[in-house]
Amino acid sequence: NAGVTQTPKFRILKIGQSMTLQCAQDMNHNYMYWYRQDPGMGLKLIYYSVGAGITDKGEVPNGYNVSRSTTEDFPLRLELAAPSQTSVYFCASSHGGGPGYTFGSGTRLTVV
Amino acid sequence: DAKTTQPNSMESNEEEPVHLPCNHSTISGTDYIHWYRQLPSQGPEYVIHGLTSNVNNRMASLAIAEDRKSSTLILHRATLRDAAVYYCILRDTSNTGKLIFGQGTTLQVKP
Repeated sequence: NAGVTQTPKFRILKIGQSMTLQCAQDMNHNYMYWYRQDPGMGLKLIYYSVGAGITDKGEVPNGYNVSRSTTEDFPLRLELAAPSQTSVYFCASSHGGGPGYTFGSGTRLTVV
Repeated sequence: DAKTTQPNSMESNEEEPVHLPCNHSTISGTDYIHWYRQLPSQGPEYVIHGLTSNVNNRMASLAIAEDRKSSTLILHRATLRDAAVYYCILRDTSNTGKLIFGQGTTLQVKP
């Protein structure tokens, strides 16, 4: 089982560039989440989705956008990248919002 | 969201039990207590969760105080692979199931 797959694993962006972080899960989970983790800190929730076509903001949504057109995929879009968005991004999924989130291995993003 | 308080760091010796405390004095009656851990350079992984009663699984035990204002994650025999950041989280009781992470406890295991 692949679980939650995130691509790319690493990326360097220049200020003002845009990119999409991909997240896919093969567990038929309806709930999906995007978190960011700055060095030495805990995870902060960016956006989440409780099903296809439904998304909502988390704690730190500014500078990001998401879409959820299928159950499997939950891409995170960065528009006009800024150095403050340098972080490790984690995608997660769960069934019905229940316990036992499954996390991906993360995308390490550097904005220079 | 109700908050949790954990020590920043703890140390343990290999093959000894470890008790990781968590205070959550503002917990509501329907909040579940969740524990996750994050190994170096990895995403968090689920450890255990509970509501009122003590819970055991293959990874750990969770002891919940009778008033539910605190809990303790117990690793029965720490190994070097247990060195990680351990997060105690009160699960959001709305239907979104959001997990709001705090700073966690960094556990060091000495050989």
